[in-house]
Amino acid sequence: DAGVTQSPTHLIKTRGQQVTLRCSPKSGHDTVSWYQQALGQGPQFIFQYYEEEERQRGNFPDRFSGHQFPNYSSELNVNALLLGDSALYLCASSSWWRAVWYGYTFGSGTRLTVV
Amino acid sequence: AQTVTQSQPEMSVQEAETVTLSCTYDTSENNYYLFWYKQPPSRQMILVIRQEAYKQQNATENRFSVNFQKAAKSFSLKISDSQLGDTAMYFCAFMTSAGNQFYFGTGTSLTVIP
Repeated sequence: DAGVTQSPTHLIKTRGQQVTLRCSPKSGHDTVSWYQQALGQGPQFIFQYYEEEERQRGNFPDRFSGHQFPNYSSELNVNALLLGDSALYLCASSSWWRAVWYGYTFGSGTRLTVV
Repeated sequence: AQTVTQSQPEMSVQEAETVTLSCTYDTSENNYYLFWYKQPPSRQMILVIRQEAYKQQNATENRFSVNFQKAAKSFSLKISDSQLGDTAMYFCAFMTSAGNQFYFGTGTSLTVIP
């Protein structure tokens, strides 16, 4: 049973560019959440997708956007990259109903470096 | 707003010894959940233990146990018989009863010394 798959594992972008990160949830999960983990910090919630809609959003600017596809996979897009966007981006999948009981599964993340 | 504080950036422990990691949190919620996650160099967050706030009994999972003090808003993790594989970053996390997002602390880097 595959867990959460994120791609790519690493990438380097130039300031001002746009980037797309991808996440395939664990089999049986229908909800995807994205977190940003800056170096030396805990993960911070970006947003959560369920039924192809953004259900909840953290304190991130509109440069951060996402999408969920009918197969529950998800993309995180960041426009006009800033040096401060350099971080590990984690995807977590879960079931919408009683997620706290059935658990969240995290991926190994995408390390984004903005130069 | 919910906040989680971990005041120990780094800790070390001798193999087979016991270590306690501290965590405090702030919330106005009455029903919530608390977690400890482990993040090894592989970067994947792995659930160590979970505590429901309405349960007075402290959660245990094999060598891992918590000391949950609801009134003090404290949630510490005790690791007994420490093993080299326990070396990792440990994050304390909070989730409201809605179960939509985690609030993480800044983490404690634990090193188990052979």
